[in-house]
Amino acid sequence: GNSVTQMEGPVTLSEEAFLTINCTYTATGYPSLFWYVQYPGEGLQLLLKATKADDKGSNKGFEATYRKETTSFHLEKGSVQVSDSAVYFCALPPHTGFQKLVFGTGTRLLVSP
Amino acid sequence: EPEVTQTPSHQVTQMGQEVILRCVPISNHLYFYWYRQILGQKVEFLVSFYNNEISEKSEIFDDQFSVERPDGSNFTLKIRSTKLEDSAMYFCASVPGLAGGTDTQYFGPGTRLTVL
Repeated sequence: GNSVTQMEGPVTLSEEAFLTINCTYTATGYPSLFWYVQYPGEGLQLLLKATKADDKGSNKGFEATYRKETTSFHLEKGSVQVSDSAVYFCALPPHTGFQKLVFGTGTRLLVSP
Repeated sequence: EPEVTQTPSHQVTQMGQEVILRCVPISNHLYFYWYRQILGQKVEFLVSFYNNEISEKSEIFDDQFSVERPDGSNFTLKIRSTKLEDSAMYFCASVPGLAGGTDTQYFGPGTRLTVL
């Protein structure tokens, strides 16, 4: 089945630094790809998604491009803030359709002032 | 904006006791899910539910677990006899499920279950 591999954390950055969190996937077909964020003590929130190859998802300054050639969906942000400190999860369904999500291990981001 | 809600936010129970975790999915969503996250670990799928029956379940979802949609709005997860290793954050999610529509899963805030 489909799976994701996510870079291990924690990622520690200073405010206004550039962020990349790597995510690569293995998939049959072209399922949607998702990034979810979990702020301290909270649940999972959808950050962004891409539904097909070359699609770019974006939200709150974060971006990720669905790259078929490299099977990647890396999360990027040009200038992080302290409030971005959270755990970020890459996810995809095992097949197309309304299936469960398979999550990566999560990457903790710590942003210091 | 509609949200998935979960109650309680935190449940503490003694080992061997039954617990029921409650979720109210977004109205007119058709697919429902339970996931769990043991502290510091990845989010794991437990079960999916559609058309009033389980559509898929994981190895974790053994005979101690059951799900129900008793009244068309609530979606419950019951653990019949809790074990220490059931301590985790439990998330409910729902999807609209309409053909050609979004496959985005909307998550609730979670219920933290602590088994003593």
